[in-house]
Amino acid sequence: GAVVSQHPSWVICKSGTSVKIECRSLDFQATTMFWYRQFPKQSLMLMATSNEGSKATYEQGVEKDKFLINHASLTLSTLTVTSAHPEDSSFYICSAQQGNYGYTFGSGTRLTVV
Amino acid sequence: GQSLEQPSEVTAVEGAIVQINCTYQTSGFYGLSWYQQHDGGAPTFLSYNALDGLEETGRFSSFLSRSDSYGYLLLQELQMKDSASYFCAVTNQAGTALIFGKGTTLSVSS
Repeated sequence: GAVVSQHPSWVICKSGTSVKIECRSLDFQATTMFWYRQFPKQSLMLMATSNEGSKATYEQGVEKDKFLINHASLTLSTLTVTSAHPEDSSFYICSAQQGNYGYTFGSGTRLTVV
Repeated sequence: GQSLEQPSEVTAVEGAIVQINCTYQTSGFYGLSWYQQHDGGAPTFLSYNALDGLEETGRFSSFLSRSDSYGYLLLQELQMKDSASYFCAVTNQAGTALIFGKGTTLSVSS
């Protein structure tokens, strides 16, 4: 079945630094991947759609200069949280769709900014 | 835009049956999905309805009525491990990404 690998699973960083999160499709090619953010006890909020070889499409209210997305290959999308602040602390999850087989999610990255 | 409503919490005992309802408003409809998420984990796919009616997958069933913009997830023979959050979801206007409801926290007690 479709497997999406996400790294790191957790990260702690200092305020003002940048953090990169990787999302890989292991056994299929994903021309499109999706990035979500989830605060405790809340829903998954779509941040952006990552398109291989082109610019990402960001949802309203998501700062594209703060959340940099790169989808340079058919199996890898990265999300970089730039100049992180404590309010960016959250659970970030990526997802990919394999044909008609539905959506597969990465295991998530818990980011804590101190 | 897309919006989904579901109850925030449901409690039940082992062996019981629980129904989690979901009503939605969408611009374009491609189907209703259900996902389970345990604390700190990734969402896992449970069920999908594109057409009206009931879909059964083991202890879990899902129902859709497109005319009522309504669906539900039915969990039977509840087990402690079913304690989790359950989300209904539809695709966005572009028909690409999933948009999730606020989630229903199910607590199963012995």
